[in-house]
Parts: sequence; C-alpha cells; structure tokens
Amino acid sequence: QLQLQESGPGLVKPSETLSLTCTVSGGSLTTNHYYWAWIRQPPGKGLEWIATMYKTGTTDYSPSLKSRVTVSLDTSKDQLSLRLRSVTAADTAIYFCAGGPWQQPDYWGQGTLVIVST
Amino acid sequence: QAGLTQPPSVSEALRQTATLTCIGNNDDVGNGGAAWLQQHQGHPPKLLSYRNNNRPSGISERISASRSGNTASLTITGLQPEDEADYYCSAWDNSLNVWVFGGGTKLIVL
Repeated sequence: QLQLQESGPGLVKPSETLSLTCTVSGGSLTTNHYYWAWIRQPPGKGLEWIATMYKTGTTDYSPSLKSRVTVSLDTSKDQLSLRLRSVTAADTAIYFCAGGPWQQPDYWGQGTLVIVST
Repeated sequence: QAGLTQPPSVSEALRQTATLTCIGNNDDVGNGGAAWLQQHQGHPPKLLSYRNNNRPSGISERISASRSGNTASLTITGLQPEDEADYYCSAWDNSLNVWVFGGGTKLIVL
C-alpha cells in the first residue's frame, strides 16, 4: 500500500522560503502513469492546487503560484520536494502531497501545517 | 483561474439521499469529468470517485457520481452520521492546464 509523508519546518518567517519534502513508501515515484502533486489548504478553507509532476520531469504549476514555486522529484530517494519563495501570511496552510493515476489522486499524505509568522 | 462552483452546505436527514453538485465549464468538468473527495475534520482528503463514476476500491456502493454537461453530481444514499464531512469536486482544465477545485460543500446529516 502506497504511503506518503510530508515533512519540513512548521514555522517560516515572512519573506523566507518554505521547503517541504514528501517521502513515498510502499511504492515508487517511477510507477508508470502515476502523477504526483502538491496541494494546500489554508486553515478553515478549501483545497488549492500547487503543482503536478510526472516521473519524466514534466510539471504543471498553478498560475497564481508559478513565479514563486519550484517542485521536483528525487526518484533515487522516492521523494517529492516543494520550495515556495517569499512567503507571506497568506501562505499559511496545511500542505499535502498526493499521488495516483492522472486525475485520480488515490493516495494522500497526512498533511503538514506550515505557519508563516515572525 | 476560476474554480468549480459548489454550494457551501447541504443538509439531509439520516437514511435519506443527498445529492451534491459541482458546476464547471466546457474545458474542465465538461471535458474530462470530475473527481470527488471527502474530507473529515483534521484528516486528509479521500478520493470517492474519479472520471465521473469510477469508485476506488473500498468506497461504499452508497456513493455514486455522474455528469450532465458541465455539471457533476455526487449522490450518497442511506445517509449515515459518518457521511457528515466536507466534499470537494475537482477537474483538470484542459485549456489552461490547471487542476481546479470547487470551494467544497459541507454535508450535514440531520
């Protein structure tokens, strides 16, 4: 059974860079036809897509975040990474990684809360 | 990018049937269909259906989904207390190449 686990700092200062890692176990990032995504959820609000990646490196980004976001896959470690630059309080959210076939996000991490504050 | 439109809340009695709606456009729901996710407070989302009416393994048969034009629907029959949760629809916008979500519907089981 595929499992995903997010990790990273729970507190980031404004204007700094948020960095998160998602470790995949019980499976592989190189699974054919599997796509890997970052999604976030501000406290008490809905889901917001950040980016989706495929093992080939093909990546799609949310236009509203594209200028500040970098995502990548490390297939040797079965890890996804997320870097969000110049954060503000509006970036405070639970960050989830998810994976599965195209538009079929079967697997989700538990999510990690990141608070942007001094 | 514009998101999908969902009613903020739906209330329905125990053991009755609830239908949740999700309105998109020709490029997202109308193109490739929608997926539905359930989220209980404090938990990650859980996939209930994808590409309109495909249920992942382990999802109750009380749950079904459909699409008519640019509107996707999720129907839950025989409502149980554990069905009370937030429900999100999502779809890929084939024109903008973005993954869009609805704002979510809180299902209240009376």
